Formats: sequence, structure tokens, C-alpha cells
Amino acid sequence: GAVVSQHPSWVICKSGTSVKIECRSLDFQATTMFWYRQFPKQSLMLMATSNEGSKATYEQGVEKDKFLINHASLTLSTLTVTSAHPEDSSFYICSASMRRDTQYFGPGTRLTVL
Amino acid sequence: SQQGEEDPQALSIQEGENATMNCSYKTSINNLQWYRQNSGRGLVHLILIRSNEREKHSGRLRVTLDTSKKSSSLLITASRAADTASYFCATEIVGNNRLAFGKGNQVVVIP
Repeated sequence: GAVVSQHPSWVICKSGTSVKIECRSLDFQATTMFWYRQFPKQSLMLMATSNEGSKATYEQGVEKDKFLINHASLTLSTLTVTSAHPEDSSFYICSASMRRDTQYFGPGTRLTVL
Repeated sequence: SQQGEEDPQALSIQEGENATMNCSYKTSINNLQWYRQNSGRGLVHLILIRSNEREKHSGRLRVTLDTSKKSSSLLITASRAADTASYFCATEIVGNNRLAFGKGNQVVVIP
């Protein structure tokens, strides 16, 4: 149980285009979903916290207009990287939580912007 | 802000040996968690230790927590080649359920 999927697992796009990444909780309802990014050989940095039906809370330094988060249902959250640039290339990981102190992580999405 | 901070060392050990890594943090926490990440993959939750606990075991894993020193250690006993991965600690800070991840420790177990 408690499986989280992400789609796509990897994506390559041209600079200036937008990319949408989906995060789904497959067998539970997630009241909260989190989005992280991870640069090579570095740690995970929390980007935003998303509660179903409400606006996401962004961490300091994360542009909300650049990284659009939608949490339309208890099983789906999406992250859209708008007008992507090469510096946005990273590994994006989501997690889903149905109660405090437990987050279930997705397998990650590797974004490469050319 | 980054909370947990592992000692920035890469461990390379022989199969069968024990591997120990440490994590320190700065503020009050609800709990501390350890995760494993294989290269290019997602995170696997290993163990959670609450702020009122001092030691916890799970299989070959042993975690300690010293809240007075704001530090934790993860011990992997009788390591296997499959334990080769990066290991991260993450703290859940008092007042919210967000996780702050440490830098990670890369462990290589040589068969």
C-alpha cells in the first residue's frame, strides 16, 4: 500500500516551453502533497506544500508563477514548470501524505531543458 | 531552510562490515526520519524516530537520537552490496509537517 506514482519519469523539452508533471497517490487519499527538487549529488529541497482544494504554499525563493501547482483531487497533484530554461533542469520528486509524520515519495521525474 | 546535516563523507566499506552515518539539526523536531535513495530513483523510507525516543531498530538498521546534542546516527549492520545508495536524514520540525532534508551520505558496499 501507499504507492505514489509520477508521470512522466523523464522529459526533455526545449527552452521556453512548459512541462507538466503529475503526482498520483494510487491507493490512498492524500490530504497533502509536497514537491521537491534535487540537483545532482545534492539533497532534496522542498519547493511547495499543496493541500487539496487550496492554493499551494511555496517555500522562500520559489517562484509561484514559474512553478504552478494544482491539487485538484485527493489523489492528484500537478507541477507545471512554465517557460522552462536550462537552469530548471533537475530531478523533481513529489510526496503524498494522509496523516502527519508520514510522507510517501514518488519515483521522481528527471527534467532536462535544452 | 536545510535542517538536517549529515557529516559530508562518502563511505566505502566491504560487504559484511557495519556502516555508520550521522546527522545533526538545529531546531526542535517532532521526529527524525532516514531515507535511502538509489541513483536516479525516488526515496525509500527506512525508519522514523520520534523526539521522545532514543533508539530504534528495524532489521539491520539501528537509529539513535540525542535531542540534547540535536544529532542522530544510522547504523547498518552486516552490510550488503544492495545497501549501496545515498542515505538522507530528514527532520519534521515542530509546528508543521514539512520535512527538511540533510545533504546525504553516499555509501558504497564492495562485494
